[in-house]
Formats: sequence, C-alpha cells, structure tokens
Amino acid sequence: QLQLQESGPGLVKPSETLSLTCTVSGGSISTNNYYWGWIRQPPGKGLEWIGMKYYSGSTYYNPSLKSRVTISVDMSKSQFSLNLKSVTAADTAVYYCVRNWGLATAGGLNWFDPWGQGTLVTVSS
Amino acid sequence: DIQMTQSPSSLSASVGDRVTITCRASQSISRYLNWYQQKPGKAPKLLIYAASSLQSGVPSRFSGSGSGTDFTLTISSLQPEDFATYYCQQSYSTEEFTFGPGTKVDMK
Repeated sequence: QLQLQESGPGLVKPSETLSLTCTVSGGSISTNNYYWGWIRQPPGKGLEWIGMKYYSGSTYYNPSLKSRVTISVDMSKSQFSLNLKSVTAADTAVYYCVRNWGLATAGGLNWFDPWGQGTLVTVSS
Repeated sequence: DIQMTQSPSSLSASVGDRVTITCRASQSISRYLNWYQQKPGKAPKLLIYAASSLQSGVPSRFSGSGSGTDFTLTISSLQPEDFATYYCQQSYSTEEFTFGPGTKVDMK
C-alpha cells in the first residue's frame, strides 16, 4: 500500500524559503499514471491546492502561488519536494503531500489519494 | 477559476440519521467532482471520486450523485465515526483544483 510522509522544518522565518520533502514508500514514483503534489490547510481553515508534477516533467501550479512555488521530483530517492519562497505569516499551514490519480491518463477524471499525514509549518520570526 | 460552494456549512445529526450535503460548482464540471472526509488532526480521506464512485474500503452507506454543477453526498445512516468535516473538490480545471469550504457534521 502506497504511503506518503512529509518532512521538513516546522518553523520558517518570514521572507525565507519553505522547503518540504515527501517520501514515497510502497510504490514507484515513476509510475505512468500519477502526478505528485501538495495541498495546504491554514489552522482552522479549508484546503488549498498548491500544485503538482509528473515524474517526467509536466507541472501545474495554483495561479495565486505560481510565482513562488517549485515542485520537483527525485526518482532516485522516491521523493518529491516543495519549495515556497518569500513566505509570510499567511503561509502558516499544515502541508500535505498527495498523489493525483487519473490526470496523467489522457487528462481524465482524477482525484487525490492517498494523502500524507501532514506537517505543520509556522512562519514566524 | 471555478468556485465551489457547499451547503450547509454545518449540521447537527444523530446516529442513524440520513445526511445529505450539497456541493455546487460555478460552472459545469461534468463528473469531475470528489468528496473527502476529514477528522480533527487527521489528513483528508477520499470517499467518493468521479461524482459517484465509492473509493475502495469506504462503507456503502456513503454515496455520491450529480453532474454538471450540482452534486450531493449522502450518508444513509450516520454512524459515530462519521462525525467529521466533508469537502468537495473539483478536478475539471487543471488551471486550479479547488475545494469547497467544507461541511462540519457534529452530534445533535
């Protein structure tokens, strides 16, 4: 069974870069059918999609974050990463890594499953 | 971008009740609609994908319906473990995947 696990600093200073890694176990990150992505949830609020990347290149980013976000995939380590630069307090959230099933199959019906357990990142000096 | 709304924002119900949650998209999204359940302190869990397909392992008391702009999630007989927040999510626009604001189901 595929499992995802986020890791990274829990505290980031304003204006710095937030960097998180998601380790994939129980399956291959280079499987044709999947995109790998990130979703966040500010404390007490709803879910916001950040973006996602296919192992071989295609990338989709939330337009509201696009100028600050980079998602990369490291197949050799079965990991994918999120970099969010120039963070502010508004970026404080629980960050989830996710697998998107379906989009890679000719742009078909798609959904997020599974999800990592999430990691809280606080932006504060 | 496609906006998602949910109603109600919260509801109180008892074990055994039939519960219906509505999700509406600001434009037609065909069947590109998914439902997730989130319990406090936990990651969301996929319940229903493609508007009406039950994810493996999810109890059959959960069902989804709809297409176009209007969708519903129904819990046929609410169980104690179903008290949670439910989110719909459109996967039609690859420009921006968006979630509804959530519906919190708590105990009456």
